[in-house]
Amino acid sequence: GESVGLHLPTLSVQEGDNSIINCAYSNSASDYFIWYKQESGKGPQFIIDIRSNMDKRQGQRVTVLLNKTVKHLSLQIAATQPGDSAVYFCAENTGFQKLVFGTGTRLLVSP
Amino acid sequence: GAGVSQSPSNKVTEKGKDVELRCDPISGHTALYWYRQRLGQGLEFLIYFQGNSAPDKSGLPSDRFSAERTGESVSTLTIQRTQQEDSAVYLCASSLGVHTGELFFGEGSRLTVL
Repeated sequence: GESVGLHLPTLSVQEGDNSIINCAYSNSASDYFIWYKQESGKGPQFIIDIRSNMDKRQGQRVTVLLNKTVKHLSLQIAATQPGDSAVYFCAENTGFQKLVFGTGTRLLVSP
Repeated sequence: GAGVSQSPSNKVTEKGKDVELRCDPISGHTALYWYRQRLGQGLEFLIYFQGNSAPDKSGLPSDRFSAERTGESVSTLTIQRTQQEDSAVYLCASSLGVHTGELFFGEGSRLTVL
């Protein structure tokens, strides 16, 4: 079956550090992946996406890397700020935006 | 409003009662989704609506769950004879279409079944 999982449930970093959040997926046919940020009491917020014909995509302070060989996805946040503290989910689009979400990684940023 | 609106934000009910959760999508968004998020977990797909097409109900966990959508507007998720395992946050999202655009999520309806 399909599954998307994360390696680290909690990541603690200092303000200004770079953060890396990892995700593994199992459906090798998946062709579209999304990272979401969820702050306490709020719905998930889109951060960045990547299609399987790419291995890297950059946004503002964020970079997503896709390694299809090992079915691994990562989110890199540069110069992490306290406002980045949240739970981050990777999600796999199984078609028609029916997303399969991982369990999430909590990012804690200390000032 | 500009975003996806959900109500109620919190609902506490007794086991066996029926509940209705409401979602107002972003105006002009033809696709509407319902997801469930149990405590400390990721989101589980429940159902989606796209225009006038038949909804995809493949994620609904049991026949106690149903949803309706009026045209390309409001949707209601109904849970009949609620059970304690139904306790979760129910999130609604909308997008321009099922093939285009990101999903915009509401803040969710937190359901607690006692």
